[in-house]
Amino acid sequence: GENVEQHPSTLSVQEGDSAVIKCTYSDSASNYFPWYKQELGKGPQLIIDIRSNVGEKKDQRIAVTLNKTAKHFSLHITETQPEDSAVYFCAASYSGGGADGLTFGKGTHLIIQP
Amino acid sequence: SQTIHQWPATLVQPVGSPLSLECTVEGTSNPNLYWYRQAAGRGLQLLFYSVGIGQISSEVPQNLSASRPQDRQFILSSKKLLLSDSGFYLCAWGPGAVNIQYFGAGTRLSVL
Repeated sequence: GENVEQHPSTLSVQEGDSAVIKCTYSDSASNYFPWYKQELGKGPQLIIDIRSNVGEKKDQRIAVTLNKTAKHFSLHITETQPEDSAVYFCAASYSGGGADGLTFGKGTHLIIQP
Repeated sequence: SQTIHQWPATLVQPVGSPLSLECTVEGTSNPNLYWYRQAAGRGLQLLFYSVGIGQISSEVPQNLSASRPQDRQFILSSKKLLLSDSGFYLCAWGPGAVNIQYFGAGTRLSVL
């Protein structure tokens, strides 16, 4: 089955700086890679996703890059703000029109220092 | 727009007691439905998923079961809770055609 590794487990950056979270996956058949943001005591919120037919996707201060050859993908947050503090999860799955569950990384606790 | 509801938000149960967590989705039909468990400080583990009424697939052997009595209702149950069943339980739904999943607010279960 799929295995997703996520690094680092904790990331502390100064407000206004950029943050990068990296994930690797094992199953070359995986073609869908979402990122979730989870605030304390709440459910994960989908913030951006990418499919294997593109290498990069941006949404305002958030971007995701995908390297299919190396089987890794990354989340980039620019101009970080205090409200970006949360736990971020990457995930991978094969999106073949079925109900395949997502395989998640173990999460990155992002701390924005004022 | 679509919304997903989970209840209760918090639950404290004694060991050996039964469990029933409910999840409902509004604003869509024939969604794929999922139950995940999140242990403290760890990622999310898929427990069950369903593509239709009465159709349940289990990902891991465990003390829990799931049912889908109606199109937009997903229930997580146990006959006798174990201490190891404690955790944060999340329901999610997806449109089916593509593997996007949206999560509910979760239920914090403490088994004492």
